[in-house]
Amino acid sequence: EAEVAQSPRYKITEKSQAVAFWCDPISGHATLYWYRQILGQGPELLVQFQDESVVDDSQLPKDRFSAERLKGVDSTLKIQPAELGDSAMYLCASSRTANNEKLFFGSGTQLSVL
Amino acid sequence: DQQVKQNSPSLSVQEGRISILNCDYTNSMFDYFLWYKKYPAEGPTFLISISSIKDKNEDGRFTVFLNKSAKHLSLHIVPSQPGDSAVYFCAAKTGANNLFFGTGTRLTVIP
Repeated sequence: EAEVAQSPRYKITEKSQAVAFWCDPISGHATLYWYRQILGQGPELLVQFQDESVVDDSQLPKDRFSAERLKGVDSTLKIQPAELGDSAMYLCASSRTANNEKLFFGSGTQLSVL
Repeated sequence: DQQVKQNSPSLSVQEGRISILNCDYTNSMFDYFLWYKKYPAEGPTFLISISSIKDKNEDGRFTVFLNKSAKHLSLHIVPSQPGDSAVYFCAAKTGANNLFFGTGTRLTVIP
């Protein structure tokens, strides 16, 4: 069964450093999502792409976070500079279309900022 | 403002018995509801869903009930198995908008 691929699985960094996460959605899935899950909370949407276009980045802290999906396939989420409060699980998900209710999630990247 | 709420952070059930996980929501515009299961160090996996035009959906041991007037849904697992031990997230959406997740309920099924 096809899966959403994410790397790295774990990332430890010091505050003020730059970090980047990569996601490769299931082939053919036009919609890609980046979620952040803080321990003890549910996932919260950071950014949603439809193909290469951003359709929702209202919750993305744009002063330090950026996301791109240049060719409408894989995507990169960057944080620069990282802050202590950014420690969380960063989850990528994809769906066939934006109206498709079923999202497939990757295993996530666990970020620890020291 | 938490639009989807799971007020029970944890639940313990004996193997073979029924597990009932509850979820409340505040946005009456939600038209689709989903349950996801999450194991440690893994991403959430889709479990079962229900459209707002229905009040029940069943898939094997899993049944989701929707009470729109109470803005409440529940997930029933019968019979519960040790492999069901995980964190369960309730989620809701409107049309093409993103999913809103609850804070999760950790289910422990005791052998």
